[in-house]
Amino acid sequence: DIQMTQSPSSLSASVGDRVTITCRASQSINRYLNWYQQKPGKAPKLLIYAASSLQSGVPSRFSGSGSGTDFTLTISTLQPEDFAAYYCQQSFSTPLYTFGQGTKLEIK
Amino acid sequence: QVQLQESGPGLVKPSQTLSLTCTVSGGSISSGGYYWSWIRQHPGKGLEWIGYSSHSGNNYYNPSLKSRVTISVDTSKNQFSLKLTSVTAADTAVYYCARVVDGGYGDYVDYWGQGILVTVSS
Repeated sequence: DIQMTQSPSSLSASVGDRVTITCRASQSINRYLNWYQQKPGKAPKLLIYAASSLQSGVPSRFSGSGSGTDFTLTISTLQPEDFAAYYCQQSFSTPLYTFGQGTKLEIK
Repeated sequence: QVQLQESGPGLVKPSQTLSLTCTVSGGSISSGGYYWSWIRQHPGKGLEWIGYSSHSGNNYYNPSLKSRVTISVDTSKNQFSLKLTSVTAADTAVYYCARVVDGGYGDYVDYWGQGILVTVSS
């Protein structure tokens, strides 16, 4: 199985900060990497697919990069509504997709 | 706008079968290019893929659950379902139904249901 490891597990930041979350795969997954945002009590929401493609309707302050084993999600200027949990997910090893353990982004 | 809605009992007894249905609206479950999936989230934990089914009946399951899981699609009702047998307290979770896009650079979930909490308890 491909293991996905996110870092950090939690992060405190302020409105207006630039934030980067990292996701590392246990083996190369090309660009088969997606990012989701989840707010408490809600279903996850797709932000980025194929490592760097912005899902329709998602603000441009969100961006993704990387290929192979190392990927990043960047929020350029944190907004109050961005405080949430973030998950990466690989789809290289279909059909067994796996998620990272999540990164909780909290207000400092 | 595609919408997915889970339904089913919120409480299941140990050793029984968990059965959930996902109703899809705003789009046809028979459309190609998609897989119909179940994902769960244990309380306060991360996301776990249960499995998915295509409209043509091809099914894929998480190996850790494969012996207990069945996902099926009913195109006449625009629904798909999850059955998980021999449940234990470890199966207590929020269960999400989801639409997976068969993308060019991998698959991703573009629509999720709101989630349904299923508790396994006597």
